Amino acid sequence: GQQLNQSPQSMFIQEGEDVSMNCTSSSIFNTWLWYKQDPGEGPVLLIALYKAGELTSNGRLTAQFGTTRKDSFLNISASIPSDVGIYFCATLLYNQGGKLIFGQGTELSVKP
Amino acid sequence: GAGVSQSPSNKVTEKGKDVELRCDPISGHTALYWYRQRLGQGLEFLIYFQGNSAPDKSGLPSDRFSAERTGGSVSTLTIQRTQQEDSAVYLCASSPGTGDTIQYFGAGTRLSVL
Repeated sequence: GQQLNQSPQSMFIQEGEDVSMNCTSSSIFNTWLWYKQDPGEGPVLLIALYKAGELTSNGRLTAQFGTTRKDSFLNISASIPSDVGIYFCATLLYNQGGKLIFGQGTELSVKP
Repeated sequence: GAGVSQSPSNKVTEKGKDVELRCDPISGHTALYWYRQRLGQGLEFLIYFQGNSAPDKSGLPSDRFSAERTGGSVSTLTIQRTQQEDSAVYLCASSPGTGDTIQYFGAGTRLSVL
């Protein structure tokens, strides 16, 4: 089936460092989404990308929709302790009722 | 409430018992989705409902899993004869309609099958 490959699986960084994670697929998708999940909570949407090549920012977060439509990356600049959590990429299957397919997640730990 | 509400937040059950998990979507949202999240994994789609249309059950892993949505609002996910591999967090999400990007998630029900 369709699968999103997300890397790295985990990251342990110092506060203030920049972070980069990415997501790839063997299939072409029309939407890339980035979610964050805090412990004991459901995922919350951070950024949505709709066009190949699109670069979108949300505060310290920047995400890009790859030009091949098979990948996306998320950057976090100047990380802070509250950035800790699990980051998921996802895509939305418009022709299947809008169900989401998720990557395996990148667990981010930030050391003060 | 303002968000998606799920209950119970935690459920511990014995192997072979049936369990029911409840989801209250955001008022007015016509689309409702169930996902399963195993430990350390991403979310797997289970089932979705859109208005009064027949649900898409394509993600249900076995016939022990079923879901209902009464009156186009509250949904119940039922797992019969639970197995240890059913242990996971079950998350519900709603959106204003199918195809809308933003699905709003509840906090999930953590199911532990002993």
